[in-house]
Amino acid sequence: KAGVTQTPRYLIKTRGQQVTLSCSPISGHRSVSWYQQTPGQGLQFLFEYFSETQRNKGNFPGRFSGRQFSNSRSEMNVSTLELGDSALYLCASSKGLTEDTQYFGPGTRLTVL
Amino acid sequence: SQQGEEDPQALSIQEGENATMNCSYKTSINNLQWYRQNSGRGLVHLILIRSNEREKHSGRLRVTLDTSKKSSSLLITASRAADTASYFCATDNSDYKLSFGAGTTVTVRA
Repeated sequence: KAGVTQTPRYLIKTRGQQVTLSCSPISGHRSVSWYQQTPGQGLQFLFEYFSETQRNKGNFPGRFSGRQFSNSRSEMNVSTLELGDSALYLCASSKGLTEDTQYFGPGTRLTVL
Repeated sequence: SQQGEEDPQALSIQEGENATMNCSYKTSINNLQWYRQNSGRGLVHLILIRSNEREKHSGRLRVTLDTSKKSSSLLITASRAADTASYFCATDNSDYKLSFGAGTTVTVRA
């Protein structure tokens, strides 16, 4: 079956703009998680959604938000972009049960100029 | 902040040799997982070891877990060029998130 897909794969924005990233999970998966990866901070958890409900949120400012739709697809939004938001944003999906394997997408590379 | 710390940060070995990397974490966990990442791409799940398990094998991979020392190790035997990647440990505290270590970059020389 198809893996996790993320769109777009690459994005260039300027400071102050906003951006929306999309993630389509594996069919049948109801949980979607988002992570930010930077050389300095490594992999940081952003948030996790299960059946349209946010179950956990990482330590990121309110400029970072997300949502999940009834078909389990998820979007994350970053408003008022800063240079430090440049990162690889990874989405992962799972069935949402305890100890489920998380399957990661290829990521969206965001560059903020 | 990251839950896990990995050691070494980088490792260079000859094809056919074994590669060992370690991960230490700070709080109690439900399970610990290892992932591989090739050159800034997505993460690939390698193996999961539960807190009540001490050792697990999957193909050329061997993972150990010592909850008393809050540490884990990943051994890749008979390495191949295709094993060149970054390897991350991630802890699961049953709170719907994974906490990742900084990773070990492994280079396998032909």
